[in-house]
Amino acid sequence: GQQLNQSPQSMFIQEGEDVSMNCTSSSIFNTWLWYKQDPGEGPVLLIALYKAGELTSNGRLTAQFGITRKDSFLNISASIPSDVGIYFCAGRESGGSNYKLTFGKGTLLTVNP
Amino acid sequence: DTGVSQDPRHKITKRGQNVTFRCDPISEHNRLYWYRQTLGQGPEFLTYFQNEAQLEKSRLLSDRFSAERPKGSFSTLEIQRTEQGDSAMYLCASSLSGMNEKLFFGSGTQLSVL
Repeated sequence: GQQLNQSPQSMFIQEGEDVSMNCTSSSIFNTWLWYKQDPGEGPVLLIALYKAGELTSNGRLTAQFGITRKDSFLNISASIPSDVGIYFCAGRESGGSNYKLTFGKGTLLTVNP
Repeated sequence: DTGVSQDPRHKITKRGQNVTFRCDPISEHNRLYWYRQTLGQGPEFLTYFQNEAQLEKSRLLSDRFSAERPKGSFSTLEIQRTEQGDSAMYLCASSLSGMNEKLFFGSGTQLSVL
């Protein structure tokens, strides 16, 4: 099945730093979603993107739907300790089922106070 | 609206036993999904319901797995004759079908098969 390549696998940063992570696919996607997951909990939706080139913010988080429709980016500005967690990208393949999400393997973010 | 609710949160069972998990979706959502997540991986799709109809099952869902959504509201996922390889987090998600569909996940059921 479709695989998403998410990078980096992990990041260790100082509080206050900005963070960037990205996700790429081998095929065209029509939806990108970004989730955050804390240990022992389900993923929580952060940002949803539906159009190529779309740039959407949610507080200190900004995500973009790549213009090639094969990638997406998530940026976190001025990180704080509660940003710690695993961030997942997920997408729906264009021309595929209109409901199934494929997930990346996640980026583990650690913030040093 | 309390979001997607899953029960139990944790289940420990012995190999060979049957287990059943319940999911209560967000009330107005017509779509319900089951995903499975193992350590270090993203969630993987298992099955999907639109209202009470089960419209797709992943190849990951062996014959020992069965899911139901009898009245188009809550859903159950049963695993028969559990194996150690079934140990995982089982996540339920729901959504409202439409152009800009978003999936909302529950907190999951962590299954440990001893």
